[in-house]
Formats: sequence, C-alpha cells, structure tokens
Amino acid sequence: DTEVTQTPKHLVMGMTNKKSLKCEQHMGHRAMYWYKQKAKKPPELMFVYSYEKLSINESVPSRFSPECPNSSLLNLHLHALQPEDSALYLCASSQTGGGEKLLFGSGTQLSVL
Amino acid sequence: AQSVSQHNHHVILSEAASLELGCNYSYGGTVNLFWYVQYPGQHLQLLLKYFSGDPLVKGIKGFEAEFIKSKFSFNLRKPSVQWSDTAEYFCAVRSGSARQLTFGSGTQLTVLP
Repeated sequence: DTEVTQTPKHLVMGMTNKKSLKCEQHMGHRAMYWYKQKAKKPPELMFVYSYEKLSINESVPSRFSPECPNSSLLNLHLHALQPEDSALYLCASSQTGGGEKLLFGSGTQLSVL
Repeated sequence: AQSVSQHNHHVILSEAASLELGCNYSYGGTVNLFWYVQYPGQHLQLLLKYFSGDPLVKGIKGFEAEFIKSKFSFNLRKPSVQWSDTAEYFCAVRSGSARQLTFGSGTQLTVLP
C-alpha cells in the first residue's frame, strides 16, 4: 500500500457542527502532516506529527484540533468553523519529519456554510 | 527564513511547444528542491527532486529541472508539452535549517490542443 488515504472526499458542514477528517497511511512513514489549500494557492502547513507527537503547529486556530492515535492514522477535528475555513485539506506523510519527499493524499474538500 | 518565488502565474502554450517554468529561492545554504504538480481535481504529486549531485535532474513524464546554485534557481523544463500537462505546478524548497517544505505560489500551465 503506497498511498495516503483521506476520508471523506467532500464535506459540507454548518458553523455549529463538529466533524472529523481522517487520514491513513501504511507505508511505515513516521511523519504526518495537515495542509490547507485554497483554490489556486499553494498548500499551507497547519500541523506536523513526528513519531506520533505534535512537532509543529503553525499558529492554527483552536477550532482545528489534530490527533494522531497511532503511527498510521491522523485525524483533524473540526468545531465551530467559519466560512473562510472552506478549503481543500490535504494530508501528507514522509519517512521522517524533515518534510522531504512528501506523499500527499487526495484531500478533503470542505465547505463551511 | 526560506522563501520560494514563482514569477509566472499563468503560462499558456500550444502542444509541442517547449516549457520552462521559473523558480527562485532565497537561502544561501544547503537546500532540497522539489517540483510538485496538481492536475485538475487531483492531489499533489511529486514530479522531481534535487538533494545533491548532478544538478540536472530528470523526473516523471519527460520533465527535468536544473539546479543553478549561483542563481538560486531550479527551473522546470519540458521539450515538448502535451495537452495532458495542463495543471498547476508548485516549486518547493527545504533548507538545511528548516524542517518543513515551503511552497511557491504556483504556476498554472494551460496547454492548448
């Protein structure tokens, strides 16, 4: 298995909802990432987990809460989002936490109403 | 801090034309350089990377890039583009002291049939 799998592919939620994005990889990668990408813009790093510990939090609002239950799974819990949070949320993994050679998932397209 | 500049925001070419997309970075030390491609509706994919050694690197789908240290550049080239090359292209850099990738703003390539 050489893929990063993200679910769901699409998500529509209201501003009072609580939802979670899921990401899974079985390549033995020890670093996993959440990126946010607006249309026609580059990906922006949100969080990095290295060896299941949060190593980077790029000043992301607390309405986004990451979780790494084990080395293969990465979740992003969403609560009280704003319409401007609508974007493509990308998960990625790499062998180490150095950011080299990231393998990206196909993303979750999130719309906040 | 590392940064990446892609000066061409949108490039339009006819099939069989030659392609060169510019990428400049701002870090004087050791760098790892990457080109990622994002086809319409798809996730980011690694085209090619430079870590060390031969400054001319070849990637998938006939793409290549040349690392010119004196110019802080890592331009992407392809001798003859195809309609299927229509996509967004992102240059990314990881410097020796930074742990994570920094992406450029992207170049939208449109190839006309």
